[in-house]
Amino acid sequence: KAGVTQTPRYLIKTRGQQVTLSCSPISGHRSVSWYQQTPGQGLQFLFEYFSETQRNKGNFPGRFSGRQFSNSRSEMNVSTLELGDSALYLCASSEQGGGETQYFGPGTRLLVL
Amino acid sequence: KQEVTQIPAALSVPEGENLVLNCSFTDSAIYNLQWFRQDPGKGLTSLLLIQSSQREQTSGRLNASLDKSSGRSTLYIAASQPGDSATYLCAVLPGETSGSRLTFGEGTQLTVNP
Repeated sequence: KAGVTQTPRYLIKTRGQQVTLSCSPISGHRSVSWYQQTPGQGLQFLFEYFSETQRNKGNFPGRFSGRQFSNSRSEMNVSTLELGDSALYLCASSEQGGGETQYFGPGTRLLVL
Repeated sequence: KQEVTQIPAALSVPEGENLVLNCSFTDSAIYNLQWFRQDPGKGLTSLLLIQSSQREQTSGRLNASLDKSSGRSTLYIAASQPGDSATYLCAVLPGETSGSRLTFGEGTQLTVNP
């Protein structure tokens, strides 16, 4: 099976803009989670989607949002970008999101200028 | 609030050495614990997953143990190789919630010198 794929891999934006990142899970996986990784804060949970519904949400402002489609592909959107949003954004997929192994994608590196 | 700590933050060893990475967590009510490795600028690769009812898991040269009551896990790497150089992260899944919300430690950066 193909692994988790994320697009784009690299992105440069300016403050105030918005951005959409995409994640395609492993075939058959219905749970998709998003994480933000920065040198200062480490890996932090953003949100999880399962069967097109947000099941869990981390402590991020409302500028961060996401959605999941019927084919389990997921997108996350960040509006009104700030310099501090520069990070590696990782998505992970699992079959049911019930505690089984999570498989991570290569990430999208976002730089906000 | 669950907090995960990994010690040491960085480790440099000669090739062939056996080593232990440590992970501790503050809330013992976990569902499972997972160890990952991350190569520079890359995503995470799952190494081992230990359910809360298990004491250890093994995969090749890797052995992970879990002591839930004391909030500790160790990752043992036998006969280390330069290819093992990476950042190792542990993550816990809370026991009281559904879904896949992992809490990660800061990681241990391992360098294995030839």
